[in-house]
Amino acid sequence: NAGVTQTPKFRILKIGQSMTLQCAQDMNHNYMYWYRQDPGMGLKLIYYSVGAGITDKGEVPNGYNVSRSTTEDFPLRLELAAPSQTSVYFCASSSRVRQGPNQPQHFGDGTRLSIL
Amino acid sequence: GQQVMQIPQYQHVQEGEDFTTYCNSSTTLSNIQWYKQRPGGHPVFLIQLVKSGEVKKQKRLTFQFGEAKKNSSLHITATQTTDVGTYFCAGPDAGNNRKLIWGLGTSLAVNP
Repeated sequence: NAGVTQTPKFRILKIGQSMTLQCAQDMNHNYMYWYRQDPGMGLKLIYYSVGAGITDKGEVPNGYNVSRSTTEDFPLRLELAAPSQTSVYFCASSSRVRQGPNQPQHFGDGTRLSIL
Repeated sequence: GQQVMQIPQYQHVQEGEDFTTYCNSSTTLSNIQWYKQRPGGHPVFLIQLVKSGEVKKQKRLTFQFGEAKKNSSLHITATQTTDVGTYFCAGPDAGNNRKLIWGLGTSLAVNP
């Protein structure tokens, strides 16, 4: 299994450009997440999804959009890129919580994005 | 709002020394997870603790969950250069357990 696959690995954008960060998982996980991580900092949740057709905002959703048309894919859209969006973006997935503790999150390798 | 705090933020040790990082939550947690992120890498799940007072070991790593389920620790015995990285703790959001509340992490550097 590939796990969580993110593309591209690196990207440089100009201010005002748009792009989509791709994320796909092959573990049949219901839950998927997008985080950003600034240098030397922790993880900030941008958006998450608990299943196809269902998405919700995290703590830093402004400037981003997501969709979840299938269980496998959870793309993150940046509209009108700004320098403040320079960061490393991680996609993660986990299996659904039925009973008991929430399940571990599996991360992709990340997309390193620079806005110039 | 709910917070998870980790101390210290950074730690430098000589290879062979022990290392401990502490995680403190503002609320009682149903469970706590620990992750490791190598430099330039992505977070990787290490372990989950669920029971009050639980202690789990993975080779040289010892994880503890406090009796009140509000704090946790990770202790590494006799550090090695392969232990370098940032260690994060995370607990479920009390209002929505589909999300995790993450600590800011402890970055460990090991001098050979």
